[in-house]
Amino acid sequence: GENVEQHPSTLSVQEGDSAVIKCTYSDSASNYFPWYKQELGKGPQLIIDIRSNVGEKKDQRIAVTLNKTAKHFSLHITETQPEDSAVYFCAASISGGSNYKLTFGKGTLLTVNP
Amino acid sequence: EPEVTQTPSHQVTQMGQEVILRCVPISNHLYFYWYRQILGQKVEFLVSFYNNEISEKSEIFDDQFSVERPDGSNFTLKIRSTKLEDSAMYFCASSDNVGTQYFGPGTRLTVL
Repeated sequence: GENVEQHPSTLSVQEGDSAVIKCTYSDSASNYFPWYKQELGKGPQLIIDIRSNVGEKKDQRIAVTLNKTAKHFSLHITETQPEDSAVYFCAASISGGSNYKLTFGKGTLLTVNP
Repeated sequence: EPEVTQTPSHQVTQMGQEVILRCVPISNHLYFYWYRQILGQKVEFLVSFYNNEISEKSEIFDDQFSVERPDGSNFTLKIRSTKLEDSAMYFCASSDNVGTQYFGPGTRLTVL
């Protein structure tokens, strides 16, 4: 089955700096890669996603890049703010058919220091 | 904005008791999922449900677990005889036909 590795497990940055979180996946059939933000005591919230027919996607301060050949994808947050502090999870899925189950990475605890 | 809702937010039960966790997916979604997250760990897939049947289940989803869509809006997860190791956050999710999944706020299950 699919295996997703995520690094780093913790990341501390100063407000205004950029943060980068990296993930690798094992199943070359995976074609959908969402990122979720989880605040304490809450459910995962989708923040951005990318499909395998696209190499990069951007939404304001957040961007995701995908390298299908190397089977890795990354989340980039620019101009970080204290409210970006949370746990971020990457995930991979094979989109299509009757099932879109997500395989998650172990998460990155991002702390943005004011 | 439509959202997935879950009840209860916290369930405390004795070992060996049955629990039912409830979810109301986003109304026009056709794919439904349960995931669990043990404290401090990653989110793990339990089961997916489409067209009134299970489409895939993980090794965690043994005979003690079952899912049901009893009516047009609810999606439930039943654990027949809870064990201590079932203590976790349980998240329901639903997706449209391109796979974008939205998660509910979760139910914290504590088995004593």
